Amino acid sequence: DAGITQSPRHKVTETGTPVTLRCHQTENHRYMYWYRQDPGHGLRLIHYSYGVKDTDKGEVSDGYSVSRSKTEDFLLTLESATSSQTSVYFCATSAGAHEQYFGPGTRLTVT
Amino acid sequence: GESVGLHLPTLSVQEGDNSIINCAYSNSASDYFIWYKQESGKGPQFIIDIRSNMDKRQGQRVTVLLNKTVKHLSLQIAATQPGDSAVYFCAELTGSARQLTFGSGTQLTVLP
Repeated sequence: DAGITQSPRHKVTETGTPVTLRCHQTENHRYMYWYRQDPGHGLRLIHYSYGVKDTDKGEVSDGYSVSRSKTEDFLLTLESATSSQTSVYFCATSAGAHEQYFGPGTRLTVT
Repeated sequence: GESVGLHLPTLSVQEGDNSIINCAYSNSASDYFIWYKQESGKGPQFIIDIRSNMDKRQGQRVTVLLNKTVKHLSLQIAATQPGDSAVYFCAELTGSARQLTFGSGTQLTVLP
């Protein structure tokens, strides 16, 4: 267990509202990642960070933004939530080797 | 685009039997291939990995085989137990930030 927490764990929001998900780690890992998981798909990378203030886009980044102002926190923001963003969101961290540690997930429903 | 995929979405095995989960990949540039286990309601958990220059790697009750000729990866679980019931994902590691590309997953069910 790499000490990863996600908040909130569950959220229901309306279309068009902004939403921010938080990932917090206590391992001082350099790399952090946001994935989404949908039925019929494996996890797909949204954005990742390779250090404080250093972020980049993943496979499915449209409609999402991220920020990392501290090593321990990685925020994922949906500027204007859409129903297609209903999903389970997972945060992961890595010290730079090949093993990523995943958080417990956030279930987001956009109505 | 390049992708990692799985041959079968579901697999049922008797308790005590061996399980084999297969995965096909298409990106030859990956330097690591990794298997994750995901139990219901939880995040994926690392099981075992294999470097691209290896053919086989063994862990505790698990073995991963890599066949680069046909771009095929498999996970073997010996003496499958009820606690092994989960979704198993293969993933490949690429990029300077060690991004993972996941397959769609196989649901393993262990029958009593």
